[in-house]
Amino acid sequence: DSGVTQTPKHLITATGQRVTLRCSPRSGDLSVYWYQQSLDQGLQFLIQYYNGEERAKGNILERFSAQQFPDLHSELNLSSLELGDSALYFCASSVVADSGNTIYFGEGSWLTVV
Amino acid sequence: GENVEQHPSTLSVQEGDSAVIKCTYSDSASNYFPWYKQELGKRPQLIIDIRSNVGEKKDQRIAVTLNKTAKHFSLHITETQPEDSAVYFCAASSGAGSYQLTFGKGTKLSVIP
Repeated sequence: DSGVTQTPKHLITATGQRVTLRCSPRSGDLSVYWYQQSLDQGLQFLIQYYNGEERAKGNILERFSAQQFPDLHSELNLSSLELGDSALYFCASSVVADSGNTIYFGEGSWLTVV
Repeated sequence: GENVEQHPSTLSVQEGDSAVIKCTYSDSASNYFPWYKQELGKRPQLIIDIRSNVGEKKDQRIAVTLNKTAKHFSLHITETQPEDSAVYFCAASSGAGSYQLTFGKGTKLSVIP
């Protein structure tokens, strides 16, 4: 167990809908990262937050947004869902924002868009 | 931004043999290089990492080497076992002033008993 908690574990929804994925980082970690992993694909960096503020942005679609709350949990909002958004979404956390620090992944949220 | 190339994409070895996975990176300012192991449907787990001030690091059957001049780093697994079968990802930090890890596309390692 990495200490990073993600909910829900599985989610099935229809095209055009909106979903919210939730992540609680490890105790003491200030930085949260979101990654997308499609079938047989690598890990695509979406966005990073540090202590409530956006710190880095990757290949995140405009239909997707995220935030980190004062209690440090984070939510990833996916809207106007398309079939191609079906993927495993990982949240990860680390102690600080510096790129040299180890990040720990949660178990992921499986999203299926039908 | 950083670009990480990983080879091979698939690798099959006999149990007990060694496995080597290689990665190259593009940003000379990158300073942190972790390796993750991901079993099917599970989260990536850190197995070893190396920082730019070190050329080699070893942990039991796993070792990583770094060549900063050539901008490549490698994962070496000796005496492979069936439980080593998984997808392995290399990653590199994106350099000064940036904070995300850029991952390679992964290597699917199969250890044949």
